[in-house]
Amino acid sequence: EIVMTQSPATLSVSPGGRATLFCRASQSISRNLAWYQQRPGQPPRLLIYWASRRAAGVPDRFSGSGSGTAFTLTISNLQSEDSAVYFCQQYNNWPLFGGGTKVEIK
Amino acid sequence: EVQLVQSGAERKKPGESLRISCKASGYTFTKYWIGWVRQKPEKGLEWLAIMYPGDSETRYNPSFRGQVTIAADTSLTTAYLHWSDLEASDTAMYYCVRPTGIAGEGTYYFDSWGQGTLITVS
Repeated sequence: EIVMTQSPATLSVSPGGRATLFCRASQSISRNLAWYQQRPGQPPRLLIYWASRRAAGVPDRFSGSGSGTAFTLTISNLQSEDSAVYFCQQYNNWPLFGGGTKVEIK
Repeated sequence: EVQLVQSGAERKKPGESLRISCKASGYTFTKYWIGWVRQKPEKGLEWLAIMYPGDSETRYNPSFRGQVTIAADTSLTTAYLHWSDLEASDTAMYYCVRPTGIAGEGTYYFDSWGQGTLITVS
C-alpha cells in the first residue's frame, strides 16, 4: 500500500516570502499527484493536478514540481490568505491523501 | 460554475440511520462521477465511495464497503450517502466531491468540493 508523507508538519513564513512544501510517496506514482489548500472552516480547494498543472483560477504564485516519489509545492510572494493547511493526494492507484502541512504567516 | 451544495449538520445516536445529500449544478450530472470524502482530525482525508450517475456504476474504498451506501437521483441531480447503523466512529466532516480523471480505474483527483456536512454520533 502506498504511503504519502508530507513535510514539514508546520511552516512559518513571512509575508512576501517563499514556502516550500514536500510530499513523498512510498512508491512511484508517476506524476499522478494533486495539491489542495484548506483554509480554516473551508473545504479543500484543488490547486495543482498532474504534479504541476494549476487548476482554474489558481494564482501563478503556486507551482508544483516532481515525479516518481518526490514532489514539491512552492508558494511564492506569500499573502495572508495563503495561511492554510495544504494536502497532497496521489491518484496513481485510488486516491490517498498525505497528512498535510500547515502554513502560517508570521 | 460547478456547485455542490450539501445538506446540513446532523446529530444522531449510535445505531440510527442517516442519509445526507449533495445537490449538484453547473454541469451535466450524468456525465461525471460524484463521490464522498471524509475528514477526521486523527485520520485526515479519506475517500469513501464514488458513483457514475449515468449508469449507476459505483466504486467503494475497501475500508468503507458495507458501512456506507452511495446513491444518486438523476432527476434531482442529487447524490446521497447513507448509513443504516451509525457508530460513534462515523463522527466526522463529510464532503461531496467531483472526481476528475479515469475515475472508474482509480486514477482521479477532486476538482470540486461541497461545503461539508458535519455528522456527530453520540
